[in-house]
Amino acid sequence: GDSVTQMEGPVTLSEEAFLTINCTYTATGYPSLFWYVQYPGEGLQLLLKATKADDKGSNKGFEATYRKETTSFHLEKGSVQVSDSAVYFCALSDLVGGSEKLVFGKGMKLTVNP
Amino acid sequence: EPEVTQTPSHQVTQMGQEVILRCVPISNHLYFYWYRQILGQKVEFLVSFYNNEISEKSEIFDDQFSVERPDGSNFTLKIRSTKLEDSAMYFCASSEVRMRDTEAFFGQGTRLTVV
Repeated sequence: GDSVTQMEGPVTLSEEAFLTINCTYTATGYPSLFWYVQYPGEGLQLLLKATKADDKGSNKGFEATYRKETTSFHLEKGSVQVSDSAVYFCALSDLVGGSEKLVFGKGMKLTVNP
Repeated sequence: EPEVTQTPSHQVTQMGQEVILRCVPISNHLYFYWYRQILGQKVEFLVSFYNNEISEKSEIFDDQFSVERPDGSNFTLKIRSTKLEDSAMYFCASSEVRMRDTEAFFGQGTRLTVV
């Protein structure tokens, strides 16, 4: 079945450091790809998404590019802030068989220190 | 800003007891979901609900589980006879249209501990 594998962490960075969180996927069809973020005490929130190959999703300084050839959707940010401390989830949704659910990775906890 | 709210935030129950986890989705949303995350593992899909019926469910969602939208605002997950392995964080979510095509809004979760 479909699956998502992402870096597990936890990861601790200093403010203004560069962030990469790796995410790869396996899917039967042609999935849409997502990054969700969970700030402390809150629910998961959509951070960005991409629906086809070579699309780049971006939001709040974060970017991820849908790479079909490497089945990857790595999340990057050039300069992290303390407020980026959260758990980051990579996810996909594949319509094969009529399924509409999101398939998530394990999540990666990021802590950014001042 | 509208949000999905879940109650309680933490529930401790004895093995074999029934629990009901409650969620209030965003009012104009039509699709409702339950997910769970066992500690250290992936967030797993349990069930989706649309037009007052289950539209999809996972293998995890067996006869011990049921969902209901009793009054047009609440969306509940019932576990009839809890097992130790049901201990997890349970997330409710809702979306205007199906989750693939739009942003899904998640609640903050209910941590269920079965002892």
